Amino acid sequence: DAGVIQSPRHEVTEMGQEVTLRCKPISGHNSLFWYRQTMMRGLELLIYFNNNVPIDDSGMPEDRFSAKMPNASFSTLKIQPSEPRDSAVYFCASSFQSGSSYEQYFGPGTRLTVT
Amino acid sequence: KQEVTQIPAALSVPEGENLVLNCSFTDSAIYNLQWFRQDPGKGLTSLLLIQSSQREQTSGRLNASLDKSSGRSTLYIAASQPGDSATYLCAVYNNNDMRFGAGTRLTVKP
Repeated sequence: DAGVIQSPRHEVTEMGQEVTLRCKPISGHNSLFWYRQTMMRGLELLIYFNNNVPIDDSGMPEDRFSAKMPNASFSTLKIQPSEPRDSAVYFCASSFQSGSSYEQYFGPGTRLTVT
Repeated sequence: KQEVTQIPAALSVPEGENLVLNCSFTDSAIYNLQWFRQDPGKGLTSLLLIQSSQREQTSGRLNASLDKSSGRSTLYIAASQPGDSATYLCAVYNNNDMRFGAGTRLTVKP
């Protein structure tokens, strides 16, 4: 398996523009997570899907952020409009949730810079 | 609200030393605890996952322990190598939420 795939790897955009980050989880995994990593706040969980359904989006910073998972093999994280404080590395992770086992596998991340 | 703390924030050791990284958490009602490695500019790589019912896990030169009652986990690295240089993060999972520590930046000098 190719692992979790994220695109783009780097994104530079101007304030006010819409940004869409993409993620393809590992085939067969039923849970998908979006994280944001900054120097100040470390790694934070934004939203978590199980069987394509959002379970917990309490970590989404504000209404400018939205995430979708239309099918088991694809998810998007959208920021509209983007702001400079959104600059961070965004990670997608997937896992096969069975009982209490939630081992997560991370993608390489998307480095977002909003100018 | 779960809080995860890692000590020390940074550690530098000569090659060949055995070392211990520490992770503490405030809410002992966890499902599991996971140790990750992060290399600069790259994503996180899972090292070891300890279920709440387990006390330790081993993989090669790595050994992770879990003491739920005291809210602590340690990652032991034996015979450290320069290639072990990275940031090590612990993450605790409970109540559909995963909380990460800030990490320990490890440097192993040749």
